[in-house]
Amino acid sequence: DAMVIQNPRYQVTQFGKPVTLSCSQTLNHNVMYWYQQKSSQAPKLLFHYYDKDFNNEADTPDNFQSRRPNTSFCFLDIRSPGLGDAAMYLCATSGQGGTPAFFGQGTRLTVV
Amino acid sequence: SQQGEEDPQALSIQEGENATMNCSYKTSINNLQWYRQNSGRGLVHLILIRSNEREKHSGRLRVTLDTSKKSSSLLITASRAADTASYFCATDAVDYKLSFGAGTTVTVRA
Repeated sequence: DAMVIQNPRYQVTQFGKPVTLSCSQTLNHNVMYWYQQKSSQAPKLLFHYYDKDFNNEADTPDNFQSRRPNTSFCFLDIRSPGLGDAAMYLCATSGQGGTPAFFGQGTRLTVV
Repeated sequence: SQQGEEDPQALSIQEGENATMNCSYKTSINNLQWYRQNSGRGLVHLILIRSNEREKHSGRLRVTLDTSKKSSSLLITASRAADTASYFCATDAVDYKLSFGAGTTVTVRA
């Protein structure tokens, strides 16, 4: 029973061509996260939401945007992908009050 | 920005041995969590320890937390080949922000 679903699993995009990654959850969790993870590195927090309240990390590039139209869905938009944006993008959710986060399987983005 | 540091960066042990890894962090936390990640996959939650707890057990896992030193350790006892993975600590601080440390790569040799 997949609870956090990311689509697609693999995405190839051209340099500079906008791309959108999607995440959906069946857990009805308030909090949703987007992380970027490069090879052999820790996941780096890009954004997180508590319901519709949006929190942007200070060092997240302006090239990255996010939308959360409802509780179940969250999107990561990369406006002009560069070669340095090639990475695994991870979506996660958690309930409120210090509960574990549930991760999707990730979307591996390749920029050509 | 990353919250914590982990050591060692990599650990290679024989099946049946114990594996210990440490995590340090910088700011006050609500809780600290440990996750496992198999190569190319998402992260899986292992255990959560709250800031008012000092030790927690789950199966072969033992986690300690020392808030005065801002550090935590994860012990995996009687390791198995299936424990081969990267292990990350994550701190849950204000505003539901969940930040990850650098991770420890554990290899269990058969």
